[in-house]
Amino acid sequence: DAGITQSPRYKITETGRQVTLMCHQTWSHSYMFWYRQDLGHGLRLIYYSAAADITDKGEVPDGYVVSRSKTENFPLTLESATRSQTSVYFCASSGSGTAGELFFGEGSRLTVL
Amino acid sequence: AQSVTQLDSQVPVFEEAPVELRCNYSSSVSVYLFWYVQYPNQGLQLLLKYLSGSTLVKGINGFEAEFNKSQTSFHLRKPSVHISDTAEYFCAVKTAIGSGNTGKLIFGQGTTLQVKP
Repeated sequence: DAGITQSPRYKITETGRQVTLMCHQTWSHSYMFWYRQDLGHGLRLIYYSAAADITDKGEVPDGYVVSRSKTENFPLTLESATRSQTSVYFCASSGSGTAGELFFGEGSRLTVL
Repeated sequence: AQSVTQLDSQVPVFEEAPVELRCNYSSSVSVYLFWYVQYPNQGLQLLLKYLSGSTLVKGINGFEAEFNKSQTSFHLRKPSVHISDTAEYFCAVKTAIGSGNTGKLIFGQGTTLQVKP
C-alpha cells in the first residue's frame, strides 16, 4: 500500500546498544523528517532531508545519525542508546514543495533500559 | 528562529460544548501555520493549514482556525465537540517560501482535548 511506514513499531533495547529505526515512503516525496515525541515537549525535530544525499540537523540531533541514499528511505540510527532516548519516534515526509503538509508514519516506540 | 506556544496543556470540555485551543507563534518572517491531531497510539494527521489568503481556515471534522498576524495567533475552534474529538492537538509553524524556507515544521507542546459525556 502507498504511504509511509516505520519499523519496528516497538523496540526494547539496552543502554549502549546500536538501534536503527527504519522509514519508508512510497510517494517519492523529496522531504523526509525524524521527530521524537516526549511528554511536555511536543514533537522535536531530530534530522531532516531535502533530497537523497542531503541531510541536516534539527533541534535535537545529538546521539543520532541519519542517511538517505535512496529517496524512499530515511533510517535513523542511535549509535549508542541512552535512557534519555526512550521516546516515540515519528518519521514524516512532504512532497508538495516546502509549503506542503507533512505526512506521518504511525511511530516507533523505543524503550532503552 | 521560530517557536510555537500552545497556551493550554489540557482542555476539558463537555460534549456538544464549543472549544478553543490556543496557539501563539513567534517568527520574524512570514510563516505557514498548521494544526495536526493525534489519536491515541496513532501518528499525526492534518486538520487544517494556513498558507495565504483568507485568515479563516476550515478543516476536517468541523474544525476551523483563524490566523491573526497582529497577535501572532492561530487558535483552533469547534462550535460543538463530540466524544470522538478526544485527542492530542498540535499547532505547528513553517517558514514561508521566499523567507528562508527549509521545509521543516516546528511544533508546539500539544494540547490534550478531553471531551466528557
